[in-house]
Amino acid sequence: ETGVTQTPRHLVMGMTNKKSLKCEQHLGHNAMYWYKQSAKKPLELMFVYNFKEQTENNSVPSRFSPECPNSSHLFLHLHTLQPEDSALYLCASSHEGLAGTHEQFFGPGTRLTVL
Amino acid sequence: GIQVEQSPPDLILQEGANSTLRCNFSDSVNNLQWFHQNPWGQLINLFYIPSGTKQNGRLSATTVATERYSLLYISSSQTTDSGVYFCAVGSGGYNKLIFGAGTRLAVHP
Repeated sequence: ETGVTQTPRHLVMGMTNKKSLKCEQHLGHNAMYWYKQSAKKPLELMFVYNFKEQTENNSVPSRFSPECPNSSHLFLHLHTLQPEDSALYLCASSHEGLAGTHEQFFGPGTRLTVL
Repeated sequence: GIQVEQSPPDLILQEGANSTLRCNFSDSVNNLQWFHQNPWGQLINLFYIPSGTKQNGRLSATTVATERYSLLYISSSQTTDSGVYFCAVGSGGYNKLIFGAGTRLAVHP
């Protein structure tokens, strides 16, 4: 595998289900991100992890719970979602260092439908 | 927070035509990226260009950071260029990308 991978690619869940999205990066990066793309809104940042530490939570509801066990893996745990949470969830990674911020690379996304 | 505006919102071209997409941003940035989103949702990196000019085949980009805008040029467009083009800027300590609303491009044969 190369680049940034995401599983599953499609997910349909009920409002009472619990599911998890997985992201893995094979680029040797040290920062990982979750973004959300809804039909009516621009792509928006949800969470940032740098060196496995969460450094940004963009006012995301607690029904979304991120987990970053190491610099290569990022999860988004979902529970009691609402239909308006249906969206494309994109994972990204980058290398952050003293020289400044660097280019982000995105995975193919998970298209989530909440019934 | 920083605002990102892209224009035009929609663009229809005949194959072979040239086009220019614009991205304006409201504050100084330390990162600017252009992406192409294909019909399956994948964001494909086109350019990482916080300043200066870059070219990659039929595509080129210019960012004038002091005037807070970036341009993406597509020459000799092809049907495979269709999709949504996003500009995203980063500022602050970590690379929090702020996305514009995108330009939806349709290239017809």
